[in-house]
Amino acid sequence: DADVTQTPRNRITKTGKRIMLECSQTKGHDRMYWYRQDPGLGLRLIYYSFDVKDINKGEISDGYSVSRQAQAKFSLSLESAIPNQTALYFCATSDPMGTDPDTQYFGPGTRLTVL
Amino acid sequence: AQSVTQLGSHVSVSEGALVLLRCNYSSSVPPYLFWYVQYPNQGLQLLLKYTSAATLVKGINGFEAEFKKSETSFHLTKPSAHMRDAAEYFCAVTPYNNNDMRFGAGTRLTVKP
Repeated sequence: DADVTQTPRNRITKTGKRIMLECSQTKGHDRMYWYRQDPGLGLRLIYYSFDVKDINKGEISDGYSVSRQAQAKFSLSLESAIPNQTALYFCATSDPMGTDPDTQYFGPGTRLTVL
Repeated sequence: AQSVTQLGSHVSVSEGALVLLRCNYSSSVPPYLFWYVQYPNQGLQLLLKYTSAATLVKGINGFEAEFKKSETSFHLTKPSAHMRDAAEYFCAVTPYNNNDMRFGAGTRLTVKP
C-alpha cells in the first residue's frame, strides 16, 4: 500500500466550483505539503503544515486554502476554481525528527482541470 | 529566497552514453540540495541529496552529483544511460532546517536505443 495517497486522482470541474483535494499518509510524519506542478515551471509550494496546529503559506497560496484535520490528513481547497488553477497537484510529507529529516515523500498526484 | 535553475528543459542521449543534467542554485545560506525523478504518471522520487557532508553524493540507479560551492552547481551525472532512465528530473534547494523547498523547472531526459 502507498504511504502517501491522494484523492481524487483526476478531476474535471467548472469555473466557480468549490473543489477539495485530499491527502492521507500512513508514514506518521508531522510535516505535510501541497504543491502544484505546471509544465516549464516545476513544482511550487502552495501551503505547508508542521503539525495540526501550524499551517503556513507557501510561494503561491492565493486562491487556495488548506485544512489539517489530523496528523495523517491534509486537504487543499479551491473555493472558487478558475481555469489557471488547472495543474497537477502533489501532496508530500517529511519527518523532521526521523533518520531522514530533509527528504520529502510525494503522493501520486491529482490532475485537476478547470473548464 | 533560494532558487534553482536547470539548464536545458530537454536532454537526449543514446543508451550507454553519459548523462549530464545541469543545476545551478542561489541561496543566501548554506543550502541543502536534492535531485528528484518523476516517471510518467507518478509522483516524485528522491534520487539523491546533499546536506553539507560529502560533496560527491551517490544516489539510486547509478546516479551521482557533486556539490561545487564555487560554481553554485549541483549537476547530476550517470556514466551510462539506460532506457529506464527516461523521465523528468527536478533539482531542488532548501535552506538548512527549513522546508521551504524550491524546485527547478525540470529536465526531461530521453534515451535513444
